[in-house]
Amino acid sequence: RKEVEQDPGPFNVPEGATVAFNCTYSNSASQSFFWYRQDCRKEPKLLMSVYSSGNEDGRFTAQLNRASQYISLLIRDSKLSDSATYLCVVNFLDTGRRALTFGSGTRLQVQP
Amino acid sequence: NAGVTQTPKFRILKIGQSMTLQCAQDMNHNYMYWYRQDPGMGLKLIYYSVGAGITDKGEVPNGYNVSRSTTEDFPLRLELAAPSQTSVYFCASSYRAPGTGELFFGEGSRLTVL
Repeated sequence: RKEVEQDPGPFNVPEGATVAFNCTYSNSASQSFFWYRQDCRKEPKLLMSVYSSGNEDGRFTAQLNRASQYISLLIRDSKLSDSATYLCVVNFLDTGRRALTFGSGTRLQVQP
Repeated sequence: NAGVTQTPKFRILKIGQSMTLQCAQDMNHNYMYWYRQDPGMGLKLIYYSVGAGITDKGEVPNGYNVSRSTTEDFPLRLELAAPSQTSVYFCASSYRAPGTGELFFGEGSRLTVL
């Protein structure tokens, strides 16, 4: 089982739609959570951190559920420019790892 | 601002050849990382460094070597290239430890081993 699992998609949605992605993680000894965005054939870039109480950044809302070990990303009023792959990223603490663990990503395609 | 710069952007190698992927950052970050990304997969950590002179293995270090003689540079050496090393390689850096700060990535180096 992968440590960080995401539905690969693609999620095809019309402009203006609301779309949500979930990501599950296998290890409860995890401290920090992030969503990164990766455009086609480009490098990943930080979209937002995920805080325990949930947080919002414009049209984007991130939530964390530690009991069920998942995080989510909600995008409201989707734009064509939101088309990208969204990577769920977790910082695991238990094995002394010194770097983030990335999910395989969920691809979003926003249609005109 | 240059950020993280990787060279080359593209390279084709023959089996058994060796090469070095260059990575430089101008943000005075202590932490640097090499990841590889295969199609449809997440990024896998190859090596990382917490400062000049200090490196350590990540999840998939076999077939690679690194050095960190300066804060700015973190080259990745491929010895005896194999088809399994065909991938996109990303170098990244961060000011703070990975769980507390943003990772800044280079544009990637696409390597094909034939």
